[in-house]
Amino acid sequence: DTAVSQTPKYLVTQMGNDKSIKCEQNLGHDTMYWYKQDSKKFLKIMFSYNNKELIINETVPNRFSPKSPDKAHLNLHINSLELGDSAVYFCASSQGGGWDNSPLHFGNGTRLTVT
Amino acid sequence: ILNVEQSPQSLHVQEGDSTNFTCSFPSSNFYALHWYRWETAKSPEALFVMTLNGDEKKKGRISATLNTKEGYSYLYIKGSQPEDSATYLCAFIGPGGAQKLVFGQGTRLTINP
Repeated sequence: DTAVSQTPKYLVTQMGNDKSIKCEQNLGHDTMYWYKQDSKKFLKIMFSYNNKELIINETVPNRFSPKSPDKAHLNLHINSLELGDSAVYFCASSQGGGWDNSPLHFGNGTRLTVT
Repeated sequence: ILNVEQSPQSLHVQEGDSTNFTCSFPSSNFYALHWYRWETAKSPEALFVMTLNGDEKKKGRISATLNTKEGYSYLYIKGSQPEDSATYLCAFIGPGGAQKLVFGQGTRLTINP
């Protein structure tokens, strides 16, 4: 049973396209996140979503938008893809709203390549 | 901008040897520190969540200590095994909770058989 699953695993697309990455968690967690692994291998938070409260990292371009149809899903939409968007994107979830001591549970990542 | 630094960036250890590495973080406004193990082609998995100054956590041959006053945490691996080869990440939680969790770059550990 996969706790946090994201699809697709690999995504190759051309500049200017619009694409989505899906994420689902079956842990009953309250908070979900999107992280981007940058060129220096750091995991940088993009969004967190908890009880309909969206917290956005101010450095994320507005071409990126999270969509949460329900508590178990947080999808990532990217409009007008650029070469610099190529990276590995990780979805994660945690119990509680961030002020508890629960760890993050990560998906396996989506490698996005923009050509 | 919060700085979370890990050292060394990479480490090669002989099987059977013990090793340790460091995570440095801001000593003010501390809330929690996480340690994760990240094996190649997998996703990061949580090892420890530490919240109190002086905390010591242990899981098998891996243990961690926390000093919030001076802003560092050590991760120790006793009797390294090949399966310990992975990148070890620490993540600092300060103001803002987990929504503002900041990861270090990781220490890439390779165990030589």
